[in-house]
Amino acid sequence: DGGITQSPKYLFRKEGQNVTLSCEQNLNHDAMYWYRQDPGQGLRLIYYSQIVNDFQKGDIAEGYSVSREKKESFPLTVTSAQKNPTAFYLCASSIDRAGTGELFFGEGSRLTVL
Amino acid sequence: AQSVTQLDSQVPVFEEAPVELRCNYSSSVSVYLFWYVQYPNQGLQLLLKYLSGSTLVKSINGFEAEFNKSQTSFHLRKPSVHISDTAEYFCAVSGSGTSYGKLTFGQGTILTVHP
Repeated sequence: DGGITQSPKYLFRKEGQNVTLSCEQNLNHDAMYWYRQDPGQGLRLIYYSQIVNDFQKGDIAEGYSVSREKKESFPLTVTSAQKNPTAFYLCASSIDRAGTGELFFGEGSRLTVL
Repeated sequence: AQSVTQLDSQVPVFEEAPVELRCNYSSSVSVYLFWYVQYPNQGLQLLLKYLSGSTLVKSINGFEAEFNKSQTSFHLRKPSVHISDTAEYFCAVSGSGTSYGKLTFGQGTILTVHP
């Protein structure tokens, strides 16, 4: 079935370590996104990519990095520079470039920093 | 810039009662509006959307929302809720001309349906 796969579902990290969250889609969508979700704050955009080998910062990009070497893949690295990385991370994709279309979400990755 | 405010963080309701989840937005341009639903430990799913045309939009499971431009609102309603409607609901806005579905989300409303 078509969809977005995020891994791992749960991840624990020690302070000072970088960690990479995987996001793969087989929907043939051009655009992909990373959102961070914290209780009571909704979703905030970290990075987005409209096309392979191109990506833009969202509202809270500091302490994060991404790459888009393949259309299907948009991994997110949470670096040691991110001061409060414990959160639920959601990857999404969209086929509609005009902003009118539906976002398809993965099931999320919950990162806990010990 | 645009913003979304969901006026209630939690809404408890009894089964078969009506419910309204409130959403207000601000934007300097024309907007597209969305409601998404999130079940525990899952991603979000689109519930319904307003792009243009009729201001009343409906989902397949009985929810509806009305776009009110003068009040800058997009409240979500259901006349009779079920236990299975228990979830968190997010209102979101995309400014027309905004590229690639770059949505701004509200803070979320947790709907809890009690038997």
